[in-house]
Amino acid sequence: GQQLNQSPQSMFIQEGEDVSMNCTSSSIFNTWLWYKQDPGEGPVLLIALYKAGELTSNGRLTAQFGITRKDSFLNISASIPSDVGIYFCAGPPMNRDDKIIFGKGTRLHILP
Amino acid sequence: DAGVIQSPRHEVTEMGQEVTLRCKPISGHDYLFWYRQTMMRGLELLIYFNNNVPIDDSGMPEDRFSAKMPNASFSTLKIQPSEPRDSAVYFCASSLAGYGYTFGSGTRLTVV
Repeated sequence: GQQLNQSPQSMFIQEGEDVSMNCTSSSIFNTWLWYKQDPGEGPVLLIALYKAGELTSNGRLTAQFGITRKDSFLNISASIPSDVGIYFCAGPPMNRDDKIIFGKGTRLHILP
Repeated sequence: DAGVIQSPRHEVTEMGQEVTLRCKPISGHDYLFWYRQTMMRGLELLIYFNNNVPIDDSGMPEDRFSAKMPNASFSTLKIQPSEPRDSAVYFCASSLAGYGYTFGSGTRLTVV
């Protein structure tokens, strides 16, 4: 089946640094979603992208829907301690728009 | 709204015992999803319902797993008999069409 590959698997950064992570698939997605999971909680939707090339921001977060429709990127500017968590990309598989699948996540750690 | 409510938050059980996880979706949401999260496999979709009807249970690992949604405000995921490899965090999520899933806080299951 379709899979979403996220990189890096984990990141250790200093507070204040910018962060970039990405998600790729071997097949086309028509919607890209980015979720964040705080420790001990369920994932929360951050950004949804619906069109190839779309660039959308939510505060310090910016996500882009890749032109090929096979990838997406998430950037976080000026990281703060509460950005710690796992970031998941997700999307509906081809021909199944009533459910979404998730990548394995990028775990973000922030050093004091 | 109280969000998606899952119970219990933690469950420790012995191998061979029956385990029942419970979920109350957000009122008015017509989709309900059960996911399992492990370090190795990430977030896996087990089964989902639309208007209380199971739509896709292809992610249910084996016959030991079953899920029901007797009404719009309640769903259960049952494992009988439980095995150590079932240890994971189980999430319930609900949505009103679209992909803006709201997740519960999860049930951490440990089978010893």
